[in-house]
Amino acid sequence: AQKVTQAQTEISVVEKEDVTLDCVYETRDTTYYLFWYKQPPSGELVFLIRRNSFDEQNEISGRYSWNFQKSTSSFNFTITASQVVDSAVYFCALSGSFGSARQLTFGSGTQLTVLP
Amino acid sequence: SAVISQKPSRDICQRGTSLTIQCQVDSQVTMMFWYRQQPGQSLTLIATANQGSEATYESGFVIDKFPISRPNLTFSTLTVSNMSPEDSSIYLCSVSEQGRGDYGYTFGSGTRLTVV
Repeated sequence: AQKVTQAQTEISVVEKEDVTLDCVYETRDTTYYLFWYKQPPSGELVFLIRRNSFDEQNEISGRYSWNFQKSTSSFNFTITASQVVDSAVYFCALSGSFGSARQLTFGSGTQLTVLP
Repeated sequence: SAVISQKPSRDICQRGTSLTIQCQVDSQVTMMFWYRQQPGQSLTLIATANQGSEATYESGFVIDKFPISRPNLTFSTLTVSNMSPEDSSIYLCSVSEQGRGDYGYTFGSGTRLTVV
């Protein structure tokens, strides 16, 4: 069975602070995919990143960066110099690579509030 | 990536009635999924919509309550039957695509359902 844990329910920061959202996952698959999605108040899911289990390189995209560590089964997300527009719910998700395992399993989400 | 058109975007329904949600994809996709997001909660998979056969439902979801059709590789519907206020949620369809050796997931914009 697959499981994703986002222990931080809510985080509040002041604009320009850096913030890290934690994600820990469990899976028996050797090939799997990890995702981060952003859900602003409007409700749509915005894709941020996909990582496969064979690629442990950290990634940076503008103010966003991701730290994937298989040894600790974690895939953490850092926003540098946060902005008010970053306020949203962020979901970490996991999928396998074959058959029914390809369904996405979501974490419970982290509500990020960036205060001006 | 695929573009999904999901309708309606929102609706307010009377208890005891049914609502059918449509999901149209601009390309043929193998796997389509339906999710429910209850207020303040994460996304929970309802079922995988299989083309030409019965949908595969997750634990806690049954066909009588959430009948799903998938007549072809670009279209699916989810019906929420005999609605009660507890069915008030956002319902999202999603498709899985394979590209460059790994998988991505695209989501519709969601249907925000309120049952009164």
